[in-house]
Amino acid sequence: DARVTQTPRHKVTEMGQEVTMRCQPILGHNTVFWYRQTMMQGLELLAYFRNRAPLDDSGMPKDRFSAEMPDATLATLKIQPSEPRDSAVYFCASGLLVGPATGELFFGEGSRLTVL
Amino acid sequence: EDQVTQSPEALRLQEGESSSLNCSYTVSGLRGLFWYRQDPGKGPEFLFTLYSAGEEKEKERLKATLTKKESFLHITAPKPEDSATYLCAVRQETSGSRLTFGEGTQLTVNP
Repeated sequence: DARVTQTPRHKVTEMGQEVTMRCQPILGHNTVFWYRQTMMQGLELLAYFRNRAPLDDSGMPKDRFSAEMPDATLATLKIQPSEPRDSAVYFCASGLLVGPATGELFFGEGSRLTVL
Repeated sequence: EDQVTQSPEALRLQEGESSSLNCSYTVSGLRGLFWYRQDPGKGPEFLFTLYSAGEEKEKERLKATLTKKESFLHITAPKPEDSATYLCAVRQETSGSRLTFGEGTQLTVNP
């Protein structure tokens, strides 16, 4: 059963530390998204890639966040240095998006980050 | 600015008590309205996509409808296993593949 896999599922770290979250999208999907979910803001788009190329990272604080897709099977989201306000659940999602009339995204189970 | 507003924030139903969830949107050039279901500790799970006013989609006890300003998710004779947060999202023609999500409606169905 194809699914999006995220690691780690849970991460507790101290302010100032580097955090890296990883995502394995579903094989064959051409678009990968990073979303952040908090009680206050709901689901917010941080960045997304099409065929491994970054298309939109306008939702991401550029000074501390970076997102990459080193290959088709791995997407990473890095926070350096981390701050308590980064505490949230980070979701990776992938989809086969061809043209404007497609939209089904498959989400991973999320990485719950707590920054102390 | 694009907005997606869901109501109510929370809804409690008795098993078998039908109801509707609302998603109001203000976007220019809608390129799709999406419904997702999210269980606690899980990622959102896709339910429906609607593209044009008047369109309807059904899946088991759920039926989604779309007008030019809002979408409804109708739940007929719900069961406790329908308890979840239901999220609405929109895609706009000038925003590429970006989905903008609403805050969700937390549905609880009591046996």
